[in-house]
Amino acid sequence: AQSVAQPEDQVNVAEGNPLTVKCTYSVSGNPYLFWYVQYPNRGLQFLLKYITGDNLVKGSYGFEAEFNKSQTSFHLKKPSALVSDSALYFCAVRDMGSSNTGKLIFGQGTTLQVKP
Amino acid sequence: DTEVTQTPKHLVMGMTNKKSLKCEQHMGHRAMYWYKQKAKKPPELMFVYSYEKLSINESVPSRFSPECPNSSLLNLHLHALQPEDSALYLCASSQEFASGVSNTEAFFGQGTRLTVV
Repeated sequence: AQSVAQPEDQVNVAEGNPLTVKCTYSVSGNPYLFWYVQYPNRGLQFLLKYITGDNLVKGSYGFEAEFNKSQTSFHLKKPSALVSDSALYFCAVRDMGSSNTGKLIFGQGTTLQVKP
Repeated sequence: DTEVTQTPKHLVMGMTNKKSLKCEQHMGHRAMYWYKQKAKKPPELMFVYSYEKLSINESVPSRFSPECPNSSLLNLHLHALQPEDSALYLCASSQEFASGVSNTEAFFGQGTRLTVV
């Protein structure tokens, strides 16, 4: 069964410090991995994706993510956090194998709190 | 333009009402989706349209009826809803999701906040 896990409900970090939001996945085929951010009462905004190629993916607003096939992880990172980064973050996977349906499987979400 | 537009932004309806949610995109995407999201939870897929045909119905109750009039529009017709159907309803679109397609990320609208009273 395909699944995505975000082991931390909340991550707290001080402004200016590096941040990491963790994600691990389990799929039967090749994973297409995504990170989305959601601000209160808003839709999801696409941050970045991994399809193939370099394991370090750069995305919007200074975020990047590292794909690690052996650890089946896709952690989101940013070198220096901003208070405005405080939001709900979702990791998602699309299985592009034989069961490809276009369906995104989301993790439970991680609330990022950046304090001044 | 990576915009998906949803109307209305807010909707309050009674359990006997009929209402519709609308979604529009002009990115040339051929896959469109309806998701339901409860507070601080991940979105739950409801329906997927691929090339204007319904390809996935995630066992959604018949009081929710999707419609895809053309490749840019997606509607969700609501009838006889229950208070537990109150949620944020998100529309999304993406390129076709065939293997080998790299631009497969989904773009989401701002959602319709639905309250059933």
